[in-house]
Amino acid sequence: NAGVMQNPRHLVRRRGQEARLRCSPMKGHSHVYWYRQLPEEGLKFMVYLQKENIIDESGMPKERFSAEFPKEGPSILRIQQVVRGDSAAYFCASSPDKSGANVLTFGAGSRLTVL
Amino acid sequence: GDSVTQMEGPVTLSEEAFLTINCTYTATGYPSLFWYVQYPGEGLQLLLKATKADDKGSNKGFEATYRKETTSFHLEKGSVQVSDSAVYFCALNQAGTALIFGKGTTLSVSS
Repeated sequence: NAGVMQNPRHLVRRRGQEARLRCSPMKGHSHVYWYRQLPEEGLKFMVYLQKENIIDESGMPKERFSAEFPKEGPSILRIQQVVRGDSAAYFCASSPDKSGANVLTFGAGSRLTVL
Repeated sequence: GDSVTQMEGPVTLSEEAFLTINCTYTATGYPSLFWYVQYPGEGLQLLLKATKADDKGSNKGFEATYRKETTSFHLEKGSVQVSDSAVYFCALNQAGTALIFGKGTTLSVSS
């Protein structure tokens, strides 16, 4: 079991470019959560998805950010027209069901740097 | 809204020293409480948890007791090792909602 796989681990983008972060959940997990960790900050919840559905996006910025979790393939967090303030570590976590957040398994994170 | 406050680091200790990392929370209702640990270059791992008042979570020599009266969930270990060097996150959740994390505390243990 390879665990939660995130890629790329490190991504560098210039202002205005797009960033795509991918997350493959653990085998058998159909629930995915994205968190962002800004420098000197804790992990902030962004979005919770099940296959083909966004369940809770209350933590997502209103503009430029989007997430999907298609029927086939990884979950994608997409940031359009990146700005320097988007530089952060983005963590994905998965769980087999919604019975409780205490069974979240986290990936190693994707670190985005915006120049 | 709900929140978690944990002591700022870094915490620097010698091997075999006693560790305490303070964590307090603000929440309506009765949340579940967690400690996660992140070793260098890795994702977060669940270290221990407690789901109701007075519960004690324990794992790998670490302990934390859910104190409702002081709204605290302090992490302790009697004798730290170099391999315990990591970032420790306190977190809470309610009714299966998304975890709310503290800012994390970096622990550095030297031999």
